[in-house]
Amino acid sequence: GQQVMQIPQYQHVQEGEDFTTYCNSSTTLSNIQWYKQRPGGHPVFLIQLVKSGEVKKQKRLTFQFGEAKKNSSLHITATQTTDVGTYFCAGNRDDKIIFGKGTRLHILP
Amino acid sequence: DVKVTQSSRYLVKRTGEKVFLECVQDMDHENMFWYRQDPGLGLRLIYFSYDVKMKEKGDIPEGYSVSREKKERFSLILESASTNQTSMYLCASSFSGGNTEAFFGQGTRLTVV
Repeated sequence: GQQVMQIPQYQHVQEGEDFTTYCNSSTTLSNIQWYKQRPGGHPVFLIQLVKSGEVKKQKRLTFQFGEAKKNSSLHITATQTTDVGTYFCAGNRDDKIIFGKGTRLHILP
Repeated sequence: DVKVTQSSRYLVKRTGEKVFLECVQDMDHENMFWYRQDPGLGLRLIYFSYDVKMKEKGDIPEGYSVSREKKERFSLILESASTNQTSMYLCASSFSGGNTEAFFGQGTRLTVV
C-alpha cells in the first residue's frame, strides 16, 4: 500500500536557524497534511495541501506540495524554542490517514 | 471545542489479559482511527472505521480487534496482551471525504508486564 517516507528523522538546530523536513510518497497523493506533536502531547493538525505545486504560509512556516503531488516539505524560518516537537506529514489512502515517521526537531539555545 | 477522549491516560496490564481501550468523540465524525506510536516508527495505523459496525484493517492489525457499536465510540481490544504491545495508543476521528483533518485524543500509554 501507499507509504509516506519522511526525512530526516531527527534535526538539531540552533535557535534562530532554519529547519526543513521532507516527505515523499511512492504514489500520487490526493492531498498532504502536516501535524505537529509537542513533547508529551498528541498530534495537532497544522495544514492541508491539495493542489499540485501549492505553497501555503503560516507565519514562519512554509508548506509546499510538489508538482507531481508525490512530495512535500515544511520549512521553518528562524526557529524558536516553541517550535520544538515532532512534525508529521500524512497522506490519504481511501479515507485512511497514513503518517510518515516524523521529524523530531530539537532547538539548541 | 472539539473533543476526542480516551478512557485512560496510563494503563498497566499483565501478559495474557484482555485489554479494552475506549475512545469517544463528540464531533459526529464518520471516521475513527486507532494508531500506535513507538519511538522511531511514527504513527502506525492499527484499524480504521468509516461507519457504525464497519471496520478496515490498517497496516498492523495483528493481535488487535475493534468494535464500533455507536458512531461516537470506537474501542480497541487486545485479546491477549503481550509485552510487544507496550506502546502509546492514539485514537483519532475525522469527517469522511478524504480532505479533512484528524483530531486526536490525548493518548493511552499502555504497559504490558
